[in-house]
Amino acid sequence: KQEVTQIPAALSVPEGENLVLNCSFTDSAIYNLQWFRQDPGKGLTSLLLIQSSQREQTSGRLNASLDKSSGRSTLYIAASQPGDSATYLCAVSSGGSQGNLIFGKGTKLSVKP
Amino acid sequence: GAGVSQSPSNKVTEKGKDVELRCDPISGHTALYWYRQSLGQGLEFLIYFQGNSAPDKSGLPSDRFSAERTGGSVSTLTIQRTQQEDSAVYLCASSRRAGGPYNEQFFGPGTRLTVL
Repeated sequence: KQEVTQIPAALSVPEGENLVLNCSFTDSAIYNLQWFRQDPGKGLTSLLLIQSSQREQTSGRLNASLDKSSGRSTLYIAASQPGDSATYLCAVSSGGSQGNLIFGKGTKLSVKP
Repeated sequence: GAGVSQSPSNKVTEKGKDVELRCDPISGHTALYWYRQSLGQGLEFLIYFQGNSAPDKSGLPSDRFSAERTGGSVSTLTIQRTQQEDSAVYLCASSRRAGGPYNEQFFGPGTRLTVL
């Protein structure tokens, strides 16, 4: 059974710092991995999708890497801003035809001005 | 273009009543997913549709939960005889198709259900 773990559960950093969020999964047979952002009381915003054949994806100040064989992904945020404060969720698309996502419990990020 | 929409945004109901939650996916997306996010819990997969078919209903927590999709578009999630443990945020997502490496899912804002 696929399990997704995110470390740390919470992180507080001063504005301007570069930071790394970690995600690990137990079964390497995935189609893809998605990183999401969730603001309080809101739905999920897709940040990046990495296909299983890819090693990394970049969008602006965000860079996500994937090491499928070791079951790990990292989300790197450069030059953090207070507006980056949110919960970041990692999810993997399980094997099989349905492609439902299996989520970690998230990392709650707070960027202090 | 328009994203995934859900209604109502908030629903407060009394224990034992039935509720219907609605999801409008992104136009052209053939796959639709329902998830539940309970306080302190992670996101839990409930059911998915490819077109109007739901091949696997095993994620539904009990037989009080049912879902349907019509016209390959709108979906409704129905909870009968609601219980307090049903209180959660119900999230809907859609993607171009189900499964495969290109299956990027886009989420709606959710429906917050409170059962008193």
